[in-house]
Amino acid sequence: GAVVSQHPSRVICKSGTSVKIECRSLDFQATTMFWYRQFPKQSLMLMATSNEGSKATYEQGVEKDKFLINHASLTLSTLTVTSAHPEDSSFYICSATRQVNQPQHFGDGTRLSIL
Amino acid sequence: EDKVVQSPLSLVVHEGDTVTLNCSYEVTNFRSLLWYKQEKKAPTFLFMLTSSGIEKKSGRLSSILDKKELFSILNITATQTGDSAIYLCAVELGGSEKLVFGKGTKLTVNP
Repeated sequence: GAVVSQHPSRVICKSGTSVKIECRSLDFQATTMFWYRQFPKQSLMLMATSNEGSKATYEQGVEKDKFLINHASLTLSTLTVTSAHPEDSSFYICSATRQVNQPQHFGDGTRLSIL
Repeated sequence: EDKVVQSPLSLVVHEGDTVTLNCSYEVTNFRSLLWYKQEKKAPTFLFMLTSSGIEKKSGRLSSILDKKELFSILNITATQTGDSAIYLCAVELGGSEKLVFGKGTKLTVNP
């Protein structure tokens, strides 16, 4: 069964809206979670590493004020796309590992469409 | 710059065919190589490879890693229409758990 849950699966909203996406680890604690973005016909690109109890680490070129990450508990990380614009439309997906040296498991992703 | 290159990008076969998907990489700090299958939503985990020359097998799928030549292959025998998906190769970087993904191979298996 699923080990990582992501919600919502689909969001359609107007430009300027802020959108929050949740990522939960099911039946295990995840001190680290990862957020990816996937554009059509492109691969998954790591946006940031979410660390429980501390600031997220962002990849080069990803605006931290645009993509707010909060990892307030050992089972939940949230990504908020602030003041979203059409160019932010993409497939956002999170992942987590049960423990070190184990593969990352992915949530089902969130398809974000900004009109 | 760390990179992962998959080939072919797209492949169309008939049911029953055997396919080989390729993944080469150039990274500064290799920890492991992973294969995922992505259908409509999230990638699902297939294999994690850390050692050279040891084949991992799961049913009709198998994979092997060559750390000297910096590549891996994923084999699927007796393909079925349900194997149609995008197969992603990713390299995990040491020290950070970060994954660097290739662009994927889109496999279409026709009946």
